[in-house]
Amino acid sequence: DAGVIQSPRHEVTEMGQEVTLRCKPISGHNSLFWYRQTMMRGLELLIYFNNNVPIDDSGMPEDRFSAKMPNASFSTLKIQPSEPRDSAVYFCASSLGLVPYEQYFGPGTRLTVT
Amino acid sequence: GQQVMQIPQYQHVQEGEDFTTYCNSSTTLSNIQWYKQRPGGHPVFLIQLVKSGEVKKQKRLTFQFGEAKKNSSLHITATQTTDVGTYFCVPIKAAGNKLTFGGGTRVLVKP
Repeated sequence: DAGVIQSPRHEVTEMGQEVTLRCKPISGHNSLFWYRQTMMRGLELLIYFNNNVPIDDSGMPEDRFSAKMPNASFSTLKIQPSEPRDSAVYFCASSLGLVPYEQYFGPGTRLTVT
Repeated sequence: GQQVMQIPQYQHVQEGEDFTTYCNSSTTLSNIQWYKQRPGGHPVFLIQLVKSGEVKKQKRLTFQFGEAKKNSSLHITATQTTDVGTYFCVPIKAAGNKLTFGGGTRVLVKP
């Protein structure tokens, strides 16, 4: 069975450029989560969706960050414009529902902004 | 607010030895989940504990939920190099909708 799919796996971009990260959740999962992981801040929840509807975006750091889920099988996280401090590993996770369902994480996208 | 501490933050373990990581909450939890993240990898769900005093085993891993549902532990027997990684305990509140990952316990195994 395919797990959560994320693309690209690695992204290197220059400051000021737009970055779009993509996620395909596990088929049948109703909830999708975007996380960011850095050494300094650990694993942070940015935003999550339930049935394609954003439920809580309080973790989104700034207006430069936006996320969409146009359908049950696709979500994007966009950063515009990107800054060096956005460099991190971005994970997408999906689950059958909200807590307490367990979450299945994708392999992550390692973003480097120079 | 809810405070959850996981200790130790780092653990160097000699291969073959046992070790335990502890998760302590200032408030009563509904459930608790454990995840493992290998170096360079992504978090992987290990187990969820729901009942007071619950003990669950997965091969060499033993998970325990305290009687008061305020603490939990993960005990690994006869540590192997494959146990290297960061172990996260993730507390779940009764009215919560999201998971909050703490710093975890980073385990290094000396062969």
